Amino acid sequence: SQELEQSPQSLIVQEGKNLTINCTSSKTLYGLYWYKQKYGEGLIFLMMLQKGGEEKSHEKITAKLDEKKQQSSLHITASQPSHAGIYLCGADRGTSYGKLTFGQGTILTVHP
Amino acid sequence: DTEVTQTPKHLVMGMTNKKSLKCEQHMGHRAMYWYKQKAKKPPELMFVYSYEKLSINESVPSRFSPECPNSSLLNLHLHALQPEDSALYLCASSQDQATGIEQYFGPGTRLTVT
Repeated sequence: SQELEQSPQSLIVQEGKNLTINCTSSKTLYGLYWYKQKYGEGLIFLMMLQKGGEEKSHEKITAKLDEKKQQSSLHITASQPSHAGIYLCGADRGTSYGKLTFGQGTILTVHP
Repeated sequence: DTEVTQTPKHLVMGMTNKKSLKCEQHMGHRAMYWYKQKAKKPPELMFVYSYEKLSINESVPSRFSPECPNSSLLNLHLHALQPEDSALYLCASSQDQATGIEQYFGPGTRLTVT
């Protein structure tokens, strides 16, 4: 079984729509990272969350970590074609420093 | 500047070849990482270097040999690879090898083994 489950696996939205991507862990997270990847390219760091209940925003993207630190959500407001890509959540379990394990990713398509 | 550079961008090699992948960062980061990413899969950690010393080896086959000649450079030496080793190889760096510190990734090297 996957340590990190992302949902949905893929998402197609019309430009201007809001959307949410979820990342769920069966174990407590010491750090939860959100990255964006264009196909075949490197990962772009978006945000990192550590504290239960923490919420961070950057431009039109907001990420939250729930109080129990086992689930995170990434919310995009008024999506644009530039938001298209693969969104990956990564987890730091605090047991092996620097070791990130990733979810399977969510493929986001935004139609103009 | 949060840039990690990787060369080459693409590499095609035969199973008997020896080649190297290179990664460089000038952010003063003391931890550097190699990840392997197969198509439509998430990245998987291979190696971690901390202060130029190998810290984590995720049971990677010996045909992959990492090297960290100084704090800014990370190499991955390849020898006698198999076709199944074809993948995107990503390098990353972070300020330190600790929990709760973001890792910055390079653009990757697309490796094809024929």
